[in-house]
Amino acid sequence: DSGVTQTPKHLITATGQRVTLRCSPRSGDLSVYWYQQSLDQGLQFLIQYYNGEERAKGNILERFSAQQFPDLHSELNLSSLELGDSALYFCASSADRGSGDTQYFGPGTRLTVL
Amino acid sequence: QKEVEQDPGPLSVPEGAIVSLNCTYSNSAFQYFMWYRQYSRKGPELLMYTYSSGNKEDGRFTAQVDKSSKYISLFIRDSQPSDSATYLCAMFRSNFNKFYFGSGTKLNVKP
Repeated sequence: DSGVTQTPKHLITATGQRVTLRCSPRSGDLSVYWYQQSLDQGLQFLIQYYNGEERAKGNILERFSAQQFPDLHSELNLSSLELGDSALYFCASSADRGSGDTQYFGPGTRLTVL
Repeated sequence: QKEVEQDPGPLSVPEGAIVSLNCTYSNSAFQYFMWYRQYSRKGPELLMYTYSSGNKEDGRFTAQVDKSSKYISLFIRDSQPSDSATYLCAMFRSNFNKFYFGSGTKLNVKP
């Protein structure tokens, strides 16, 4: 158990809909990262938040947005969903001490868009 | 050119074999190197974490970093069917606060 929690585990929805994925980082970790992993594909970095502020952006679509709250949990919002958005979405957290850091991953949310 | 290159495999070996997994990278600024194991449809799990060049051993796993060649390896001794998974390398540049992941190598250890 990495200490990173994600809810829900599974999500099934229809095209055009909007969903919210939730992540709670490990205790004490200030950074949260979101990744997308399609079937048999590598991890695609979406976005990073540090202590409530956006720090880095990757290949995140404009239909997607995220935020990190004062209690450090984070939410990833996916809107106008398309079939191609079906994937595993992982959250990871790190202490972000600026050096000697590593990420710990949550179990993921499996999103299926029908 | 990708920052981190990793052969996707699949790599198939018999039980008990020594497995060698590798990544190459292009930026000499990387300082921290990690290996993750990911079982099918599960979150990546941190296996090994090393700083700078050299070897680090943990049980059946050895991580090796050669910064002069920009090459990292993960060796698995006495491989077991339970080692069948995708192995991802990752690297970190503290001055940019960014992690870079390889695409993963799929390993299958046959009983």
